Amino acid sequence: DGGITQSPKYLFRKEGQNVTLSCEQNLNHDAMYWYRQDPGQGLRLIYYSQIVNDFQKGDIAEGYSVSREKKESFPLTVTSAQKNPTAFYLCASGTGGVETQYFGPGTRLLVL
Amino acid sequence: GDSVTQMEGPVTLSEEAFLTINCTYTATGYPSLFWYVQYPGEGLQLLLKATKADDKGSNKGFEATYRKETTSFHLEKGSVQVSDSAVYFCALSPRTGANNLFFGTGTRLTVIP
Repeated sequence: DGGITQSPKYLFRKEGQNVTLSCEQNLNHDAMYWYRQDPGQGLRLIYYSQIVNDFQKGDIAEGYSVSREKKESFPLTVTSAQKNPTAFYLCASGTGGVETQYFGPGTRLLVL
Repeated sequence: GDSVTQMEGPVTLSEEAFLTINCTYTATGYPSLFWYVQYPGEGLQLLLKATKADDKGSNKGFEATYRKETTSFHLEKGSVQVSDSAVYFCALSPRTGANNLFFGTGTRLTVIP
């Protein structure tokens, strides 16, 4: 089955700790995206990548970092610089342009 | 800048009732418009889309018409079911091939038997 997987489903972070969220897709999509969802708000774009070894900042990139070493994978690291990391994080992939985005099931990050 | 304003919820309806969720947009160019649905504990799924004025997107009994004169893209369904309970997001892409979506705040729909 083709699709997007995100792991873990829930993740807990201690103060000052970096954590990495996984996103894998087997859809052969070139583009991948990370969004953050807060209660009562729409999704906001953190980072996106249109091709391997290249990525661009979205609207709220501060405190986050990404890598795109493989086409299938686009991990997101929430660094200690992100002061309010508690949110639901959604990964998406597509063939180019947002009209073709497919979303993963999401990871909920909580701060201890 | 580009943005989407969505009807605030939550919305609670009885089964078989008529649904309308309002969405209006602001855009400088020729945007594409989308409705996404998020079921409990899941990611977003594209429900329907429209890429130019007067287009009607439809899927699973839901419809929305791209109205440029009123800058609106309201979601409608004639008879909702319990299984339609979810959060619905209106979204805008500034132009074909753009790399960003602007989302509304979401509207939670609960359908009771």
